[in-house]
Amino acid sequence: VQLVQSGGGVVPPGGSLRLSCVASGFAFEDYTMHWIRQSPQKGLEWIAIVTYDGDDTNYADSVKGRFTVSRDNSRNSLYLELNSLRHDDTGMYFCAKDIGLSGFDSWGQGTLVTVSS
Amino acid sequence: HSVLTQPPSVSAAPGQRVTISCSGTGDKYVSWYQQIPGKVPKLLIYDNNERPSGIPDRFSGSKSGTSATLDITGLQTGDEADYYCATWDSNLMTRVMFGGGTKVAVL
Repeated sequence: VQLVQSGGGVVPPGGSLRLSCVASGFAFEDYTMHWIRQSPQKGLEWIAIVTYDGDDTNYADSVKGRFTVSRDNSRNSLYLELNSLRHDDTGMYFCAKDIGLSGFDSWGQGTLVTVSS
Repeated sequence: HSVLTQPPSVSAAPGQRVTISCSGTGDKYVSWYQQIPGKVPKLLIYDNNERPSGIPDRFSGSKSGTSATLDITGLQTGDEADYYCATWDSNLMTRVMFGGGTKVAVL
């Protein structure tokens, strides 16, 4: 199982960014996926979920209305669109595979998002 | 939303045992993660007490009432890391809550 992330970078406040996570080694289309972030020197914060078929999503209150999670099962890919970025969105963003609404058993390597003018 | 509370830090000598608590779990299943500094988090325990393959039995989880516990026995220097608990809330639409994390120091 492998999750390979891309798309991080430096963006000014109010800007946008798109993160990608390409999966391999498992039946991507069968699994719910998540995005989780970690601010510098701080703990883990769950931010978004998308069900196996992409039909249902949910978000943490801190990002609701600004971030959008999606997936393309034909490309084994998960996405996170980040809009209206703020300084406190700075951090490492991880994609993670859900083993059945009870644990994240595989994680991407992380991609750094820095919101700075 | 509920808050998961963990102690900021625990410590013990090599070979000893540490226990990390996670309160506020309600009736939800709990998972535990180890994050060595600079590394990606790793799943240690899911469904309160199940270990994924490859996780040594030195790591064990339990739950009683609205609190969960991660026990690490035979502590090793390689166990120095941050440990996080998490719960899934699926009442309306699933969301996940993480505890604040506990730093384990091996003295």
